[in-house]
Parts: sequence; structure tokens; C-alpha cells
Amino acid sequence: EIVMTQSPVTLSVSPGERVTLSCRASQSVTTSLAWYQQRPGQAPRLLIYGASIRATGIPARFSGSGSGTEFTLTINSLQSEDFALYYCQQYNNWPPLTFGGGTKVEMK
Amino acid sequence: EVQLLESGGGLVQPGGSLKLSCAGSGFTFSTYIMTWVRQAPGKGLEWVSSISGSGLSRYYADSVKARFTISRDNSKNTMYLQLKSLRADDTAVYYCARLGRRPSEGWFYPWGQGTLVTVSS
Repeated sequence: EIVMTQSPVTLSVSPGERVTLSCRASQSVTTSLAWYQQRPGQAPRLLIYGASIRATGIPARFSGSGSGTEFTLTINSLQSEDFALYYCQQYNNWPPLTFGGGTKVEMK
Repeated sequence: EVQLLESGGGLVQPGGSLKLSCAGSGFTFSTYIMTWVRQAPGKGLEWVSSISGSGLSRYYADSVKARFTISRDNSKNTMYLQLKSLRADDTAVYYCARLGRRPSEGWFYPWGQGTLVTVSS
């Protein structure tokens, strides 16, 4: 099973700042990596797949990068609606499909 | 618009059973791999089970293997999850989600709104 590790667990930031979230895989997942956003009380929403491809309707301030075992989600100019939980997920080698533990982006 | 709608959640006693449903619309249901993901209260996301478009291939997390059964009825554009021998740690919101047409397209899009399963006496 591929273990996904996200850091940090919590990120305290102010609106307008640039945010960088990290995700590490226990073995290479090539670029088979997705990112999701989950707001309180809502279902997760796909942001990025293929490590760097924005899903339909996702604002350009969200960008993903990385390959192999190290990945990054960057949010430029954080908006109020971006305060949420973020999860990475690998799909290179499954079952099982595995998620990281999540990073909470909270307001400073 | 692609949509998924779950139903069937509720309160069940330990050892009991429940059947969840997920109705899809806005896409050719039979050509997509469908999946269940759960989230325990205050916890992260956990993949539970997936089923191929034809229904011939089924995959389960170790934590639910032999207790849960995934199925689908493509004539009704609906996927199911039969939950048996339920335990307190099965308490979670269960989300239905679509994968791609192939296993290499393993990202979840879209997600349903979720249905809450509570296992308690």
C-alpha cells in the first residue's frame, strides 16, 4: 500500500497570501496524483489531477506540481473561500486508492 | 450536468446491516468505474470499494472486505453498497464518487453529497 503524507497538518495564513501545501508518497506514483478541497459540511471537490492539471471550473490561482514522490499544491492570493481542508490522493497503484491525512488551511 | 445522489444511510445497531444507493445522471453510467469513499467524524478520507463499469471487477479496502458488497445496476444508473456486520468504527459519511473509464483515471470526480451511517446501540 502506498502511504501518502501531507505537511503541515495546519497552516495559519492571511487572505491574499500565497500558500504551499506538500504531499509525499512512500514510493513513486509518477504523476498519478490528485488534490481535493473540502469545506466544512461539504463533500470534497476535485482541484487537480495528473499532478498539475486543473479540473473543470477551478480558478487559476490553484496550481499543482511534482512527480515521483514529492508534490506541491500552491494557492496564489488566498481568498476567503479557500480556507478549508486539502487532501492529496494517489492512483498510480491501486487498490487501494490512498489519501493523505489532510492539511487544514485556517485564517491567522 | 454530472450528478451523484446517495441514499440509504441511517442509524443501525452493531452487527446490523444497511444498503446504500448512489444514483448517477448526466453521463453514460455504464462506462465509468464507480467508488465509495467514507469519512469518519472529524477524520480524513478513506477509500472503501470500487466497481468496474461492467460490474465484473470489484475491489475492497481490507477494513471492509468480507463485510461489504459493492454492486451496480446499469439499467438503473445506480450503484449499491451492502453493509453487513457493522461496527462502531464503520460510523461515517459515505460518499459516492465517479472515477474514470480506466483504472489509470483514478481521480474522484464528481462526488455525491454523502449519506451518514451511524452504528450505535
